[in-house]
Amino acid sequence: DIQMTQSPSSVSASVGDRVTITCRASQGISNWLAWYQQKPGKAPKPLIYAASSLQSGVPSRFSGSGSGTDFTLTINSLQPEDSATYYCQQANSFPFTFGPGTKVDIK
Amino acid sequence: QVQLQESGPGLVKPSETLSLTCTVSGDSMTNHYWAWIRQSPGIGLEWIGYIYYRGSTNYNPSLKRRVTISIDTSKDQFSLSLTSVTEADTAVYYCATGTQNRFDYWGQGTLVTVSA
Repeated sequence: DIQMTQSPSSVSASVGDRVTITCRASQGISNWLAWYQQKPGKAPKPLIYAASSLQSGVPSRFSGSGSGTDFTLTINSLQPEDSATYYCQQANSFPFTFGPGTKVDIK
Repeated sequence: QVQLQESGPGLVKPSETLSLTCTVSGDSMTNHYWAWIRQSPGIGLEWIGYIYYRGSTNYNPSLKRRVTISIDTSKDQFSLSLTSVTEADTAVYYCATGTQNRFDYWGQGTLVTVSA
């Protein structure tokens, strides 16, 4: 199985800050990477697919980049509603696997 | 927009079979992949498997011996069966849909507890 790691495990930032989350795959996955946002008690919400394509309806302050083994999710100008846990997921090979999550808090 | 709703027992006894159904509304089931994903504090998010609308399946090898996903497009439903459950199968179970490589729409999730 492809192992996904994320860093940091948690981050606290102020409204308006830029937040960057890193996701690393244990082997190359091309650009087969998705990002999800999850709030407590809710299902994960898709944010980005194919490493950098924004899902419909997702604010443009979210962006993704990377290919191969290293990927980033960037939140520009952090908003209060962005407080959540963020997960990456590889879709290059079966079984699909998720990262452990990064919790983003608002200071 | 596709909407998904999981249904099934919230409590299952050890060694028994966990059975869940996902009811789909808002779009046709054709040309989509239909997946089950679960989430537990110990394991995090775990992809269980998916079924294509035509019936082909792909399962997580860690669960493959115990999992069956089936589909009934006439009822706009697909189902999960997980046999010989243990407490380790306690989780929130989500149904989801999308392309072969991503999950665009998710159900709200249903908590299934395995306990005697």
